[in-house]
Amino acid sequence: GAGVSQSPRYKVAKRGQDVALRCDPISGHVSLFWYQQALGQGPEFLTYFQNEAQLDKSGLPSDRFFAERPEGSVSTLKIQRTQQEDSAVYLCASSLVVQPNRKETQYFGPGTRLLVL
Amino acid sequence: DQQVKQNSPSLSVQEGRISILNCDYTNSMFDYFLWYKKYPAEGPTFLISISSIKDKNEDGRFTVFLNKSAKHLSLHIVPSQPGDSAVYFCAASREYGNKLSFGAGTILRVKS
Repeated sequence: GAGVSQSPRYKVAKRGQDVALRCDPISGHVSLFWYQQALGQGPEFLTYFQNEAQLDKSGLPSDRFFAERPEGSVSTLKIQRTQQEDSAVYLCASSLVVQPNRKETQYFGPGTRLLVL
Repeated sequence: DQQVKQNSPSLSVQEGRISILNCDYTNSMFDYFLWYKKYPAEGPTFLISISSIKDKNEDGRFTVFLNKSAKHLSLHIVPSQPGDSAVYFCAASREYGNKLSFGAGTILRVKS
């Protein structure tokens, strides 16, 4: 079956521009995560959805970052008034279900590489 | 604060030999640990995981060892193959929620 897909794969934005990054999770996956990966670093958690509910947004670096998943499937990460420090790879991951005492593997998409000039 | 650390930025190993990648963590609440492999321009791919109730998990050429008292885990690849050349990330999560905390990664190069 199809894996996690993300679009666009590359995005160049001028400082101050708004951007929207899309994630299509694996069909049927309940949980969806967004991570930010700076150059030379590991991915860092941004936010987490279970179906359409955003249960954790503790990793969003500022109020310029906003994520949604209105129908519990596709998710969009929006960054308003982009800054140079927003340049990074944005990774989306999905997993089947989250239950207490049960861990499900997260499957990652290829990422969107954002460059803010 | 970096709760998961991979102190070796890179590792070079001869084909057929063992590769050992190390990872340390500081948060004693972590109870699930994973290794991901990443090729350029691709997302991380799940490799192997281990729960804190175990100290070893094996899958083919890959074995993960967990030392809870030392807050240390390692990934052994035997025998190493050129196709194993990639960036390897160690990750950990707590029971509450499944968000992952990642290390900075180790670049493995397997020479033929």
